[in-house]
Amino acid sequence: KAGVTQTPRYLIKTRGQQVTLSCSPISGHRSVSWYQQTPGQGLQFLFEYFSETQRNKGNFPGRFSGRQFSNSRSEMNVSTLELGDSALYLCASSLAPGELFFGEGSRLTVL
Amino acid sequence: GENVEQHPSTLSVQEGDSAVIKCTYSDSASNYFPWYKQELGKRPQLIIDIRSNVGEKKDQRIAVTLNKTAKHFSLHITETQPEDSAVYFCAASPSGGADGLTFGKGTHLIIQP
Repeated sequence: KAGVTQTPRYLIKTRGQQVTLSCSPISGHRSVSWYQQTPGQGLQFLFEYFSETQRNKGNFPGRFSGRQFSNSRSEMNVSTLELGDSALYLCASSLAPGELFFGEGSRLTVL
Repeated sequence: GENVEQHPSTLSVQEGDSAVIKCTYSDSASNYFPWYKQELGKRPQLIIDIRSNVGEKKDQRIAVTLNKTAKHFSLHITETQPEDSAVYFCAASPSGGADGLTFGKGTHLIIQP
C-alpha cells in the first residue's frame, strides 16, 4: 500500500507570493492533518480534515488555509508569503483516531 | 488550547544506558498521548502511545508512563542502542487523537558509543 504522498517536495518562493501544497493520503484514510515543522518551534498543528470538513484548526493566521476533496486528497494554501513561513510542511493521514502516518513533507523556502 | 512542554531539549547517554524524556500538558481533558521518533531527514513515526485509562505501557525496550493527576507523561528507553539516536516528540490530544495533535518541541537523543 502506498504511503502518504506530498508534492512538491521542494519549492522556493519570494515574499508576497502564494503557494499550494498537495497531499494524497493512504488509501482508505479519511482524516488528513497538516503540520508546520521548524527548528525552533518543532511540529505545530495547522488543521485537520475529515470527509471534506475541517474539524480543527491550529493557531495560525488566516493566510493559511486548506481543503479536502471527496477522494480525501488535501491541499493547503499559504497566501502573501512571509520569510517566517519557511518550513517543512508535513501532511499526515489516519484511518482511525490515533496513529498518524506522515508524508515526507514539502520544504518551502521563502526569499 | 492545549500546551505541551517537553524536557530536555537535548539528551546524551552512553550506549546501553537508559534515557528518560518528560512532558507536561495543560488541558486536563487530554486523553491520548503518543510519542513520535524522527530520524534525521526522515518523517516522524509513531513508536508508542498511551490513553488516559492506562498508567503504563511497554513495548520491548520502550515504555511510557502517565500521571493524570500531575498532568505529565514520560518516555523510557532502556538498553539504548545507536539506532535510538533521533529526535523524539511527545504529543497530547483531548479527542483521542481524532482531530489533530499538540506536540512538544522535541528532544534530540544522542547515543554515545
